[in-house]
Amino acid sequence: AQKVTQAQTEISVVEKEDVTLDCVYETRDTTYYLFWYKQPPSGELVFLIRRNSFDEQNEISGRYSWNFQKSTSSFNFTITASQVVDSAVYFCALSEIYRDDKIIFGKGTRLHILP
Amino acid sequence: KAGVTQTPRYLIKTRGQQVTLSCSPISGHRSVSWYQQTPGQGLQFLFEYFSETQRNKGNFPGRFSGRQFSNSRSEMNVSTLELGDSALYLCASSLASGRQTNTGELFFGEGSRLTVL
Repeated sequence: AQKVTQAQTEISVVEKEDVTLDCVYETRDTTYYLFWYKQPPSGELVFLIRRNSFDEQNEISGRYSWNFQKSTSSFNFTITASQVVDSAVYFCALSEIYRDDKIIFGKGTRLHILP
Repeated sequence: KAGVTQTPRYLIKTRGQQVTLSCSPISGHRSVSWYQQTPGQGLQFLFEYFSETQRNKGNFPGRFSGRQFSNSRSEMNVSTLELGDSALYLCASSLASGRQTNTGELFFGEGSRLTVL
């Protein structure tokens, strides 16, 4: 069963608009970690955030914010006032550290920010 | 400090050949993971090495293998290449130690893009 679902394959928004990338995960563990990574055209994934399952506080970092809701098994990512440099593929990932201890990625959402 | 370095960046092979890809992790990182990225399947975990030992393995056939050296550098090998092996192969290192490897940040290289003809 797919453990991390990013239903939005591709999104296009005009610069300065806000955009939310959805992530739904599936796990039977009570202890796990969630991640978001960004993959620019150069190819290397860049770590954005890690959140453990016991910390449901939302986080804001500049124009980026994350909404973690265990009740809906979601870990959504919002970019406020988007910029062209935000264009990339964004991956949500899950680590079930007591089950098999590997990071499983969703299939990614390709985000286009149009000037 | 230097990031994760993968070589070669691009390569073209034909079916039936084998290929070896190399990954040099960030200095001090002892954990190295490999991922295969394709448009259809996304990022799929291949294996992870820690202190020269394979600690975890994904669901790939035995044609895919890897190893890690005492300096933490890692190689992966794919034998008897198939067209479906065409992909971007990404290596990632982390500072994690001990049992809980994947609670930490992964640092990725730019990948090796393999084309199988």
